[in-house]
Amino acid sequence: GAGVSQSPSNKVTEKGKDVELRCDPISGHTALYWYRQRLGQGLEFLIYFQGNSAPDKSGLPSDRFSAERTGESVSTLTIQRTQQEDSAVYLCASSPPSGMSDTQYFGPGTRLTVL
Amino acid sequence: AQSVAQPEDQVNVAEGNPLTVKCTYSVSGNPYLFWYVQYPNRGLQFLLKYITGDNLVKGSYGFEAEFNKSQTSFHLKKPSALVSDSALYFCAVREDYGGATNKLIFGTGTLLAVQP
Repeated sequence: GAGVSQSPSNKVTEKGKDVELRCDPISGHTALYWYRQRLGQGLEFLIYFQGNSAPDKSGLPSDRFSAERTGESVSTLTIQRTQQEDSAVYLCASSPPSGMSDTQYFGPGTRLTVL
Repeated sequence: AQSVAQPEDQVNVAEGNPLTVKCTYSVSGNPYLFWYVQYPNRGLQFLLKYITGDNLVKGSYGFEAEFNKSQTSFHLKKPSALVSDSALYFCAVREDYGGATNKLIFGTGTLLAVQP
Protein backbone atom coordinates (compact mmCIF):
# COMPACT_ATOMS: atom_id res chain seq x y z
CA GLY A 1 0.00 0.00 0.00
CA ALA A 2 0.97 3.63 -0.26
CA GLY A 3 3.21 5.10 2.37
CA VAL A 4 3.26 8.59 3.82
CA SER A 5 3.61 11.17 1.07
CA GLN A 6 4.74 14.76 1.35
CA SER A 7 4.73 17.68 -1.02
CA PRO A 8 6.57 19.52 -2.30
CA SER A 9 9.78 17.53 -2.06
CA ASN A 10 11.81 20.72 -2.25
CA LYS A 11 10.85 24.32 -1.58
CA VAL A 12 13.03 27.36 -2.00
CA THR A 13 11.61 30.61 -0.72
CA GLU A 14 12.70 34.10 0.13
CA LYS A 15 12.98 35.33 3.67
CA GLY A 16 9.68 36.78 4.84
CA LYS A 17 7.46 34.69 2.59
CA ASP A 18 4.90 32.19 3.86
CA VAL A 19 5.15 28.50 2.95
CA GLU A 20 2.75 25.60 3.22
CA LEU A 21 3.88 21.98 3.42
CA ARG A 22 1.55 19.05 2.89
CA CYS A 23 1.43 15.55 4.35
CA ASP A 24 -0.78 12.64 3.32
CA PRO A 25 -0.63 9.93 5.99
CA ILE A 26 -1.13 6.22 5.49
CA SER A 27 -4.83 5.44 5.17
CA GLY A 28 -6.32 4.38 8.49
CA HIS A 29 -3.58 5.97 10.59
CA THR A 30 -5.20 8.26 13.12
CA ALA A 31 -1.97 9.70 14.53
CA LEU A 32 0.09 12.21 12.57
CA TYR A 33 3.34 13.90 13.56
CA TRP A 34 5.51 16.66 12.17
CA TYR A 35 9.24 16.76 12.88
CA ARG A 36 12.03 19.07 11.76
CA GLN A 37 15.51 17.88 10.86
CA ARG A 38 18.20 20.52 10.64
CA LEU A 39 21.40 19.77 8.82
CA GLY A 40 23.56 17.40 10.82
CA GLN A 41 21.08 17.12 13.65
CA GLY A 42 18.46 14.73 14.89
CA LEU A 43 14.75 15.18 14.51
CA GLU A 44 12.87 17.72 16.59
CA PHE A 45 9.21 17.11 17.39
CA LEU A 46 6.91 19.88 16.24
CA ILE A 47 3.27 18.84 16.56
CA TYR A 48 1.08 15.77 17.03
CA PHE A 49 -2.49 15.06 15.92
CA GLN A 50 -4.52 12.13 17.22
CA GLY A 51 -8.02 11.72 15.85
CA ASN A 52 -10.34 14.45 17.03
CA SER A 53 -8.32 15.27 20.14
CA ALA A 54 -6.72 18.67 20.56
CA PRO A 55 -3.28 18.60 18.93
CA ASP A 56 -0.11 18.71 21.00
CA LYS A 57 1.62 21.85 19.75
CA SER A 58 4.34 21.86 22.39
CA GLY A 59 7.16 21.47 19.87
CA LEU A 60 6.31 24.40 17.61
CA PRO A 61 9.29 26.79 17.86
CA SER A 62 7.38 30.05 17.46
CA ASP A 63 3.96 31.46 16.65
CA ARG A 64 5.02 31.68 13.01
CA PHE A 65 4.49 27.93 12.85
CA SER A 66 1.03 26.37 12.68
CA ALA A 67 -0.50 23.14 11.46
CA GLU A 68 -3.91 21.83 10.63
CA ARG A 69 -5.34 18.44 9.93
CA THR A 70 -8.54 17.64 8.11
CA GLY A 71 -10.21 14.81 9.99
CA GLU A 72 -7.87 11.83 9.90
CA SER A 73 -6.31 12.65 6.56
CA VAL A 74 -4.23 15.42 5.09
CA SER A 75 -2.22 17.80 7.24
CA THR A 76 -0.61 21.10 6.32
CA LEU A 77 2.23 22.78 8.15
CA THR A 78 2.39 26.52 7.58
CA ILE A 79 5.37 28.71 8.30
CA GLN A 80 4.70 32.44 8.15
CA ARG A 81 7.33 35.10 7.51
CA THR A 82 10.04 32.50 6.98
CA GLN A 83 13.50 33.07 8.41
CA GLN A 84 16.79 31.53 7.33
CA GLU A 85 16.89 29.41 10.49
CA ASP A 86 13.71 27.70 9.28
CA SER A 87 15.78 25.98 6.58
CA ALA A 88 15.53 22.26 7.30
CA VAL A 89 13.91 19.04 6.18
CA TYR A 90 10.36 18.78 7.49
CA LEU A 91 9.28 15.20 8.05
CA CYS A 92 5.80 13.89 8.55
CA ALA A 93 4.98 10.54 10.15
CA SER A 94 1.82 8.60 10.84
CA SER A 95 0.95 5.65 13.04
CA PRO A 96 -2.08 3.47 13.65
CA PRO A 97 -4.41 4.12 16.56
CA SER A 98 -3.50 1.21 18.80
CA GLY A 99 -1.20 2.79 21.33
CA MET A 100 2.20 4.01 22.35
CA SER A 101 4.10 1.01 21.08
CA ASP A 102 3.11 1.68 17.53
CA THR A 103 5.69 2.40 14.93
CA GLN A 104 5.73 5.77 13.24
CA TYR A 105 6.11 5.61 9.48
CA PHE A 106 7.85 8.55 7.90
CA GLY A 107 7.40 10.31 4.61
CA PRO A 108 10.32 11.38 2.40
CA GLY A 109 10.29 14.91 3.77
CA THR A 110 10.16 18.41 2.34
CA ARG A 111 13.49 20.19 2.09
CA LEU A 112 12.89 23.88 2.81
CA THR A 113 15.53 26.43 1.90
CA VAL A 114 15.01 30.03 2.96
CA LEU A 115 17.25 32.46 1.10
CA ALA B 1 13.01 14.61 30.77
CA GLN B 2 13.52 11.99 28.14
CA SER B 3 16.77 11.97 26.18
CA VAL B 4 18.74 9.81 23.81
CA ALA B 5 22.49 9.85 23.24
CA GLN B 6 24.37 8.47 20.29
CA PRO B 7 27.98 9.01 21.34
CA GLU B 8 29.54 8.35 17.95
CA ASP B 9 29.03 10.72 15.04
CA GLN B 10 30.49 8.13 12.68
CA VAL B 11 31.29 4.43 12.74
CA ASN B 12 33.63 2.90 10.18
CA VAL B 13 33.67 -0.84 9.58
CA ALA B 14 34.98 -3.14 6.88
CA GLU B 15 32.51 -5.17 4.87
CA GLY B 16 31.96 -8.58 6.44
CA ASN B 17 32.89 -7.43 9.92
CA PRO B 18 30.40 -7.09 12.76
CA LEU B 19 29.06 -3.62 13.45
CA THR B 20 27.72 -1.88 16.53
CA VAL B 21 26.03 1.51 16.67
CA LYS B 22 25.64 2.73 20.23
CA CYS B 23 22.63 4.30 21.89
CA THR B 24 21.89 5.17 25.51
CA TYR B 25 18.69 6.64 26.84
CA SER B 26 17.27 8.40 29.85
CA VAL B 27 13.63 8.14 30.90
CA SER B 28 11.85 8.02 34.22
CA GLY B 29 9.32 5.39 33.22
CA ASN B 30 9.38 2.37 30.94
CA PRO B 31 11.07 3.07 27.61
CA TYR B 32 9.89 2.19 24.17
CA LEU B 33 13.00 2.17 21.96
CA PHE B 34 13.31 2.40 18.20
CA TRP B 35 15.97 2.35 15.52
CA TYR B 36 15.49 4.07 12.18
CA VAL B 37 17.78 4.28 9.15
CA GLN B 38 17.99 7.19 6.73
CA TYR B 39 19.48 6.78 3.28
CA PRO B 40 20.58 9.90 1.35
CA ASN B 41 17.68 12.10 0.25
CA ARG B 42 15.14 9.72 1.69
CA GLY B 43 12.91 9.63 4.73
CA LEU B 44 13.45 7.51 7.79
CA GLN B 45 12.83 3.79 7.54
CA PHE B 46 11.87 1.75 10.58
CA LEU B 47 14.35 -1.00 11.51
CA LEU B 48 13.21 -2.41 14.84
CA LYS B 49 11.71 -1.59 18.21
CA TYR B 50 11.78 -2.76 21.81
CA ILE B 51 8.54 -2.61 23.74
CA THR B 52 8.73 -5.41 26.30
CA GLY B 53 9.81 -9.01 26.58
CA ASP B 54 12.96 -10.47 25.09
CA ASN B 55 15.89 -8.09 25.41
CA LEU B 56 17.26 -9.08 22.00
CA VAL B 57 15.14 -7.63 19.22
CA LYS B 58 15.53 -8.67 15.61
CA GLY B 59 14.62 -6.32 12.80
CA SER B 60 14.89 -5.61 9.12
CA TYR B 61 17.95 -6.25 6.92
CA GLY B 62 19.61 -8.57 9.46
CA PHE B 63 19.89 -5.92 12.17
CA GLU B 64 19.28 -6.62 15.84
CA ALA B 65 19.46 -4.60 19.02
CA GLU B 66 19.93 -5.50 22.65
CA PHE B 67 18.01 -3.73 25.39
CA ASN B 68 20.06 -3.44 28.57
CA LYS B 69 18.09 -1.88 31.39
CA SER B 70 20.95 -1.66 33.88
CA GLN B 71 23.13 0.19 31.37
CA THR B 72 20.19 2.08 29.85
CA SER B 73 21.44 1.11 26.42
CA PHE B 74 19.94 -0.12 23.17
CA HIS B 75 22.87 -0.76 20.84
CA LEU B 76 22.23 -1.69 17.22
CA LYS B 77 24.19 -4.65 15.88
CA LYS B 78 24.72 -6.71 12.76
CA PRO B 79 26.96 -9.77 12.54
CA SER B 80 28.29 -9.02 9.05
CA ALA B 81 28.20 -5.53 7.55
CA LEU B 82 27.38 -4.81 3.91
CA VAL B 83 28.45 -1.77 1.88
CA SER B 84 24.74 -1.13 1.31
CA ASP B 85 24.28 -0.67 5.08
CA SER B 86 26.10 2.65 4.81
CA ALA B 87 23.58 5.24 5.97
CA LEU B 88 22.58 7.48 8.87
CA TYR B 89 21.13 5.63 11.86
CA PHE B 90 18.87 7.19 14.47
CA CYS B 91 17.94 5.84 17.87
CA ALA B 92 14.70 7.12 19.40
CA VAL B 93 12.80 6.70 22.64
CA ARG B 94 9.24 7.16 23.72
CA GLU B 95 8.40 7.12 27.40
CA ASP B 96 5.46 5.28 28.90
CA TYR B 97 4.34 8.01 31.26
CA GLY B 98 0.64 7.86 30.54
CA GLY B 99 0.69 11.07 28.61
CA ALA B 100 -1.30 11.76 25.52
CA THR B 101 1.54 12.46 23.13
CA ASN B 102 3.43 9.64 21.49
CA LYS B 103 6.24 11.80 20.21
CA LEU B 104 9.64 10.26 19.68
CA ILE B 105 12.82 11.77 21.10
CA PHE B 106 15.65 11.21 18.64
CA GLY B 107 19.38 10.99 19.02
CA THR B 108 21.60 13.08 16.78
CA GLY B 109 22.34 10.18 14.48
CA THR B 110 25.37 8.03 13.68
CA LEU B 111 26.76 7.82 10.19
CA LEU B 112 27.73 4.24 9.38
CA ALA B 113 30.37 3.86 6.68
CA VAL B 114 31.08 0.35 5.47
CA GLN B 115 34.23 0.02 3.40
CA PRO B 116 34.47 -2.67 0.71
